[in-house]
Amino acid sequence: LAKTTQPISMDSYEGQEVNITCSHNNIATNDYITWYQQFPSQGPRFIIQGYKTKVTNEVASLFIPADRKSSTLSLPRVSLSDTAVYYCLVGDILGSSGSARQLTFGSGTQLTVLP
Amino acid sequence: DTEVTQTPKHLVMGMTNKKSLKCEQHMGHRAMYWYKQKAKKPPELMFVYSYEKLSINESVPSRFSPECPNSSLLNLHLHALQPEDSALYLCASSQGGYNEKLFFGSGTQLSVL
Repeated sequence: LAKTTQPISMDSYEGQEVNITCSHNNIATNDYITWYQQFPSQGPRFIIQGYKTKVTNEVASLFIPADRKSSTLSLPRVSLSDTAVYYCLVGDILGSSGSARQLTFGSGTQLTVLP
Repeated sequence: DTEVTQTPKHLVMGMTNKKSLKCEQHMGHRAMYWYKQKAKKPPELMFVYSYEKLSINESVPSRFSPECPNSSLLNLHLHALQPEDSALYLCASSQGGYNEKLFFGSGTQLSVL
């Protein structure tokens, strides 16, 4: 299984850009990198997914270097409502059928945005 | 409809009770998942169903029994649980391919007394 390592926590102030880095040294050739956001007592919510270089959507950017052993989630101009836990996941295919996909969550990063 | 709906939202049960958690999605997804999440911990995978067949069972105790009646529904039957089984139980679904994203429900907060 591909294992991910993230900082346990980060603090930021409103309006700042936040970068959260994830290490995934054992990433497989076909694996994509996916980030989720989770608020207390809710299920994780998909933020962004990428394979290499840079991906951008309306809420975040994802930077992946050429060796793909790490990735950085960038949140522009954070607000108080961005306070949440952020998980980096790397895909894996397991199961006898080969068609199901197991996702193993790492420890996640608790982002706290301060006023 | 891009929602995964879980019921009930909260459940309190005794160790001798039998209860069921329900999960429903109408996105045409063919893979469905149960995760367990303890407070301040990441979600832990329990079961994966792919095309209505149990594909992965992560060595979960038999007091948890999953069921997938059809491609839109996923149940988790609970029997003789222990207090340490108290947790947030999350259901998720995905299209069933490779590297696709998971859609999670809001979970059932379970307390075992």
